[in-house]
Amino acid sequence: DSGVTQTPKHLITATGQRVTLRCSPRSGDLSVYWYQQSLDQGLQFLIQYYNGEERAKGNILERFSAQQFPDLHSELNLSSLELGDSALYFCASSVIATDGEQFFGPGTRLTVL
Amino acid sequence: QQQVKQSPQSLIVQKGGISIINCAYENTAFDYFPWYQQFPGKGPALLIAIRPDVSEKKEGRFTISFNKSAKQFSLHIMDSQPGDSATYFCAASSASKIIFGSGTRLSIRP
Repeated sequence: DSGVTQTPKHLITATGQRVTLRCSPRSGDLSVYWYQQSLDQGLQFLIQYYNGEERAKGNILERFSAQQFPDLHSELNLSSLELGDSALYFCASSVIATDGEQFFGPGTRLTVL
Repeated sequence: QQQVKQSPQSLIVQKGGISIINCAYENTAFDYFPWYQQFPGKGPALLIAIRPDVSEKKEGRFTISFNKSAKQFSLHIMDSQPGDSATYFCAASSASKIIFGSGTRLSIRP
């Protein structure tokens, strides 16, 4: 158990809908990262927040957005969903702003029908 | 310049053999090189990591070999076991970002 929690574990929705994925980092970690992993694909970095502020952006679509709240939990919002958005979404956290030592949550499996 | 190239894409090794996965990077600003292990349906977990001031790091059956001049590093799994079957990701990080390799699916045959 990494100490990072993600909810929900599974999410099934339809095209065009909007969903919110939630992540609680390890106690004491200030940095949160979001990744997308499609079937048999690597980890695609989406976005990073550090202590409430956006710090880095990766290959995140304009339909996707995220935020980190004062209690340091983070939410990833996915809108106008398409079939191709079906994937595993991982949240990771680390102590400092940029740390290769990241602790990953169990992921949220999103299925868009 | 931001890529981390990982090979092979998949690897099958007999039980007791040595598994070797290779990664190459381009950006000399990277200063931390972790390896992550991911089992099906789980999130990646940090396995072992190295900084460029050393050429090798060993933890149990897992060893990272690092060649700074060639900008390459590799993971060696000695005495590979069926429980090592997983996907392995290398990564390279610096003060401003972390880049993951594309992953290697390792299968250990009994």
